[in-house]
Amino acid sequence: SQTIHQWPATLVQPVGSPLSLECTVEGTSNPNLYWYRQAAGRGLQLLFYSVGIGQISSEVPQNLSASRPQDRQFILSSKKLLLSDSGFYLCAWTPVGEPINYGYTFGSGTRLTVV
Amino acid sequence: RKEVEQDPGPFNVPEGATVAFNCTYSNSASQSFFWYRQDCRKEPKLLMSVYSSGNEDGRFTAQLNRASQYISLLIRDSKLSDSATYLCVVNSYNTDKLIFGTGTRLQVFP
Repeated sequence: SQTIHQWPATLVQPVGSPLSLECTVEGTSNPNLYWYRQAAGRGLQLLFYSVGIGQISSEVPQNLSASRPQDRQFILSSKKLLLSDSGFYLCAWTPVGEPINYGYTFGSGTRLTVV
Repeated sequence: RKEVEQDPGPFNVPEGATVAFNCTYSNSASQSFFWYRQDCRKEPKLLMSVYSSGNEDGRFTAQLNRASQYISLLIRDSKLSDSATYLCVVNSYNTDKLIFGTGTRLQVFP
């Protein structure tokens, strides 16, 4: 069966520090991968998505970047965090070409607080 | 207009009550529809897909009205454990991206 792992679960970082969040999927090949952010009391905002190694699409201009160095690994990064980067970061996956049939499966999320 | 709109609630209902949520979507060409459940400080989890003919899963019934561009979720015999935020999800036309509503909060009380 397929599983998605995301870490760390919580993170407190000072303003201006770097960020690296990692997400891995097991039990499938060539998944579509997504990074979402949910600010406190707000909806899910799609940040990045990837349909293959090295293929990243950015949804909104921001202080973040994403990379997909391996088929089932998706990394969210920042060189210098801002206070506004605080939020709940969620990684999700779906079988390639099938999101409209199966929906997304989310990892357990990383709660980031920038202080 | 937002692509997916939901009443944020909260809907406060007693145990055993029937409650219904609606969600409207703006893109008439959307093809896929889902309801997700999100517990406080947890990730969203797929509750059910929504099919054109309507579908039921135990106490939960989902309906799609393409003409009026809305989907609904009906929960019968509410349980305390149903307390959560329910997210309406629609695919963005001709892409692999799903658009999430901001959610409707349900609180079931004893």
